[in-house]
Amino acid sequence: DAGITQSPRYKITETGRQVTLMCHQTWSHSYMFWYRQDLGHGLRLIYYSAAADITDKGEVPDGYVVSRSKTENFPLTLESATRSQTSVYFCASSESPLGGNTEAFFGQGTRLTVV
Amino acid sequence: AQSVTQLDSHVSVSEGTPVLLRCNYSSSYSPSLFWYVQHPNKGLQLLLKYTSAATLVKGINGFEAEFKKSETSFHLTKPSAHMSDAAEYFCVVSPNYGGSQGNLIFGKGTKLSVKP
Repeated sequence: DAGITQSPRYKITETGRQVTLMCHQTWSHSYMFWYRQDLGHGLRLIYYSAAADITDKGEVPDGYVVSRSKTENFPLTLESATRSQTSVYFCASSESPLGGNTEAFFGQGTRLTVV
Repeated sequence: AQSVTQLDSHVSVSEGTPVLLRCNYSSSYSPSLFWYVQHPNKGLQLLLKYTSAATLVKGINGFEAEFKKSETSFHLTKPSAHMSDAAEYFCVVSPNYGGSQGNLIFGKGTKLSVKP
């Protein structure tokens, strides 16, 4: 199916464990993003990538690692999960840098609970 | 610095009555502005966008928004609410300058409830 898909949709993990959230897009968009959504904060950018093997930090990168070996995939790893990382995570993609006429397309989100 | 303020965290209307969701922005540069909608347990969907063309922007599902530079506002309206409009709405600013590649700035969201 065309689009942007995230997996898993729901995940419960324990404090200190490593967990990876997956994001896959079929449009060959150059840009991909990870956001977290917390009550009262809207969405905040964690990391983004302008192309394969090019990543950069966003507003709240601490505790997260990303990689982009292939254009279509952009996994987000929590190296040692903490309760403060309980959140809903959204992956997004765009064909060019955000701004101007460029729209970001969002996945359905992954709800992560750290216990 | 850029910022977005959604003035109401929750708006409740009756079906068939007008909807007004308020958004003010702050930007040092001429921004692009968006409204996204998030239905329960769904991803974000673009409703409409302003990119310095017409100041009155029409979107999907009968929504529209007017860019008012003098008031730094981008309020979202709909003449007649439908039950299916119940969702959370995000006002988003995207600064139009180099180096802003990843930075959509989201408001905190307005939850719209529609009563029968």
